[in-house]
Order: sequence, then C-alpha cells, then structure tokens
Amino acid sequence: DQQVKQNSPSLSVQEGRISILNCDYTNSMFDYFLWYKKYPAEGPTFLISISSIKDKNEDGRFTVFLNKSAKHLSLHIVPSQPGDSAVYFCAASGNRRSQGNLIFGKGTKLSVKP
Amino acid sequence: KAGVTQTPRYLIKTRGQQVTLSCSPISGHRSVSWYQQTPGQGLQFLFEYFSETQRNKGNFPGRFSGRQFSNSRSEMNVSTLELGDSALYLCASSFQTGGTNEKLFFGSGTQLSVL
Repeated sequence: DQQVKQNSPSLSVQEGRISILNCDYTNSMFDYFLWYKKYPAEGPTFLISISSIKDKNEDGRFTVFLNKSAKHLSLHIVPSQPGDSAVYFCAASGNRRSQGNLIFGKGTKLSVKP
Repeated sequence: KAGVTQTPRYLIKTRGQQVTLSCSPISGHRSVSWYQQTPGQGLQFLFEYFSETQRNKGNFPGRFSGRQFSNSRSEMNVSTLELGDSALYLCASSFQTGGTNEKLFFGSGTQLSVL
C-alpha cells in the first residue's frame, strides 16, 4: 500500500505561471516532508522541506504547504521557468532512528513550456 | 566539497550473475542509504547504514545486501541477478546528528541493465 501518493504523473505549465504539485500521505506518524527534483540520468536534488509543526515553508520561488488534517502537501513554483522541467518527488519521514529511510511518491513530471 | 560518488555509472550483466555497486558519501557524512528506482516507480528504500551497522532494511529479497566500511564508504551487492533487477540504483548520504531531521544528498546513480 502506497503511503505517499502523487496522483498526477505529469503536469504542463506555461512559463511565468504557477506550478502546483500535489502529494497525499496516509501515515499520520510522518513528521517531516521533502521535495526532490530529478533530471534524467541524474540523482534527485533536494529542493525544500517542511516539518509537521509548520504549515508553510518558503525558499525563493518555491513554497511548500502542509495540511496535516487532510494529510496533504503541495509544492508551488512561482514563476515557473523552463529549467524547472523535471520529475518532482515528494518524500516523507517518520522514523527518527532511521532518517535515511524516506518514503517516496512515484513522482510528477513537470513540463514548463516557453 | 565533493558530492556523493557512485561507481560504476553504467553496468550490463546477464541473468544469474552477481554485481557490486560502490558509493562514497560526502566527506563527514556517516549515514548511507540505498534506493532502487524503476521506470514508473518512485524510489524504493533498500537499506541504510550508519557507522558500519545496518540500521534499517526495506522490503527486498535476501539477494540484495550491503555493507559500510569504517571510512563510511558503502557497497551493495545483488546476487543471482534477475531481469527485474534492471534499475537505477541510487546512494544517498547524510550527516545524521541525531534528533533532527536531515535531508539526503543523492549520487547520480548506477544504471544496471540485466539481460
């Protein structure tokens, strides 16, 4: 059973507009969430994270929102740029004794069109 | 600071063979985790090592094993390769101070093809 779900396999957005990537989780024990970006033939790169004690974290063009009651988080990219085109993975962590064990979603492929 | 280094970058093997993949973490990082990524799937956790001890293991058969050395470098081994083992194998490291959430830094991966 998937504990972290990214229900949209792909998303296409026009350059300059907002990209919203969504992620749902089922395990209420998760207390730390991360977003990674991945280009083909490269490893994932950390983008932004949020602790369960917060509901928003912002870093430049990237903002992550967390709705614990709905077990939902979203990544907003404003404004979107063609270089943002990549696969975005949502990940969750809840095991303090094994922080190297992240539970990943299957990813959303973002295409930003010029 | 050098990033996470994985070797080899690409590997082609045949069914039944065994393979060893190597990972050098970022200097000072004590935790190394391994993940498998297959097409259409997210990253699936294989195992985590910390100070030469396996701290956690994912839901993979015993054919998948790993170890960590005293310098934090890690290797993973897959024995009796099957076609379904074809995947991108990613290594990630983190410092792991304990008690705080830390992000993982990933290498570029080893692309394994089993024929």
